[in-house]
Amino acid sequence: DSGVTQTPKHLITATGQRVTLRCSPRSGDLSVYWYQQSLDQGLQFLIQYYNGEERAKGNILERFSAQQFPDLHSELNLSSLELGDSALYFCASSVGSAAHNEQFFGPGTRLTVL
Amino acid sequence: AQSVTQPDIHITVSEGASLELRCNYSYGATPYLFWYVQSPGQGLQLLLKYFSGDTLVQGIKGFEAEFKRSQSSFNLRKPSVHWSDAAEYFCAVGNGGYQKVTFGTGTKLQVIP
Repeated sequence: DSGVTQTPKHLITATGQRVTLRCSPRSGDLSVYWYQQSLDQGLQFLIQYYNGEERAKGNILERFSAQQFPDLHSELNLSSLELGDSALYFCASSVGSAAHNEQFFGPGTRLTVL
Repeated sequence: AQSVTQPDIHITVSEGASLELRCNYSYGATPYLFWYVQSPGQGLQLLLKYFSGDTLVQGIKGFEAEFKRSQSSFNLRKPSVHWSDAAEYFCAVGNGGYQKVTFGTGTKLQVIP
């Protein structure tokens, strides 16, 4: 158990809908990262927050947004969902914001868009 | 831009045999290099990392990796594989300038009796 929790574990929804994925980092970690893992794209970095502020952005679509709240939990919002958004979404956390910090991964949320 | 190549999508080894998983990176300066493992239905777990110093790094679960600057490689090794090592392994590269870590496409390891 990494100490990172993600809810829900599974999510099934329809095209055009909007969903919110939630992540609680390990106690004491200030950075939260979001990744998308799919069969064709592999593991793709989406976005990172550090202590409530956006720190780095990867291949995140404009239909996707994220935020980190004062209690350090984070939410990833996916809107106007398409079939291709079906994937496993991971959250990770680390104590600092730099690349050398070990990232601890949550169990993931499996999103299925029908 | 930094990138990582894991040339082997799938590898099968016999239990007790040695293992080497290949990783090549592209980055201008000295990179931060990582190996993560993902067991079925689980998130990723860090096996080991290299930032500087000794180019042979030891990790958890009996794994080690060697940084070879001349070959831009960071191959993962284990002298004797156990059935519980069956998983997907990801090599990743980051740098100190910004926070993004780039992951390779992964190598799936199958262990046969």
